Formats: sequence, C-alpha cells, structure tokens
Amino acid sequence: GEDVEQSLFLSVREGDSSVINCTYTDSSSTYLYWYKQEPGAGLQLLTYIFSNMDMKQDQRLTVLLNKKDKHLSLRIADTQTGDSAIYFCAESRGHYGGATNKLIFGTGTLLAVQP
Amino acid sequence: EAQVTQNPRYLITVTGKKLTVTCSQNMNHEYMSWYRQDPGLGLRQIYYSMNVEVTDKGDVPEGYKVSRKEKRNFPLILESPSPNQTSLYFCASRLTGSQFDEQFFGPGTRLTVL
Repeated sequence: GEDVEQSLFLSVREGDSSVINCTYTDSSSTYLYWYKQEPGAGLQLLTYIFSNMDMKQDQRLTVLLNKKDKHLSLRIADTQTGDSAIYFCAESRGHYGGATNKLIFGTGTLLAVQP
Repeated sequence: EAQVTQNPRYLITVTGKKLTVTCSQNMNHEYMSWYRQDPGLGLRQIYYSMNVEVTDKGDVPEGYKVSRKEKRNFPLILESPSPNQTSLYFCASRLTGSQFDEQFFGPGTRLTVL
C-alpha cells in the first residue's frame, strides 16, 4: 500500500533515550527523512539518510535503516523537554523518471518528554 | 531571513464562501507544494508546482485550485469550502523537485469550515 506508518505516541523521561519507529513501503526510495514539528509551527528537517546507508549519526540523533524490512528508526539520546514535538518520517518517491519527487509522510509520532 | 510565509494563520469560514490562502517564499525556489495535515493521516499533498505556470495534482486535489503566476507565490484557492476541508494546511518550497533539495515549510494555516 501507500502508507508510511508510525506509532502515534511515545512518552519518555528526561535524560532517557527515545526511539521512534517508522515502516515505509517503497523499496526504491533513495532518501528517507525525519522532520520535527513543534507546537504551532511548520515542519523542520531534522536529518535524512541515503538508502545505501545503514546508520547515520548526528550529535544526539541516530538514524537506523533496515532496507530488508523497510524499517527506519530515529534514536534521540539524552532526551530533553525541548525535544517534545511531533516527529514525521518521510520517504521520497520519484515522478517523471526522476526529474522530480514527492515526499510521502508518515502519520507522525507525538513525543512527550516528562521532566 | 529565508522563509516561507502563509496568510492567514487562522481562518474560520462558512460552507460555500470562496477563500484563498496565500503562500510566498523568498528563496527563489522553483518547486512549491501544498499539504493538509489531519490527525492520524500525516501530511498529504494537495497540489504542487514545478515552476511558473506549471502545476499538477497531488494525492488529494478535490475541492482545491492553485495558481503559479509568479515564482515566489503559490496561492491555494477553495472555491466552495466544505466542512471536510477543515484542516491544518502547509505550504512548502524547495529549490527544485530533486530529492537532494531540502524542503522548507511555512508555519501553517488552521482552517475551520462551519
């Protein structure tokens, strides 16, 4: 199907690690993304991973990609209250022989960080 | 400051009353698109535009129109709004349609149709 799926809600304590999971559908997606949406704001690109990579680390963020299972995860180390937001994964799908692509977004995971 | 702006940020209207949500970007981006965000459904693309005078339907175009007369502006038009168009709308832009280009989002427009 077309859906990119995520669990709807995750609650963690400040200082713990958070892991947000995503399953996608298009095995030909070349890029997979994580976006963060803070309350009342638009989406901001957090990080992305190219499909020939298994892992990407960027400070407190670690992205893991399992292409066989079409599973993407975002790990946030030492989670802070400022990390409370909705997190969307997205996959790129090509149009018109690759001249353009569109992003297919997951349903979003609300991360609540308890002090 | 490089940004995507939308107006209005909040709008309450009644069924059938035509409305326009404006979107503008100051980054000289070619590619612009509109999304709607609904609980449990994520973001779904309504329309996109690869450049001036080039627009095409996204996944949920019914009930919407767009135009791209200038590179910086990409208004979303609801000719006859209905309650099922109550949603949070985002405009986005990126340099081109390539997956290598980062997509920038506006702050959102919350629309309620009574």
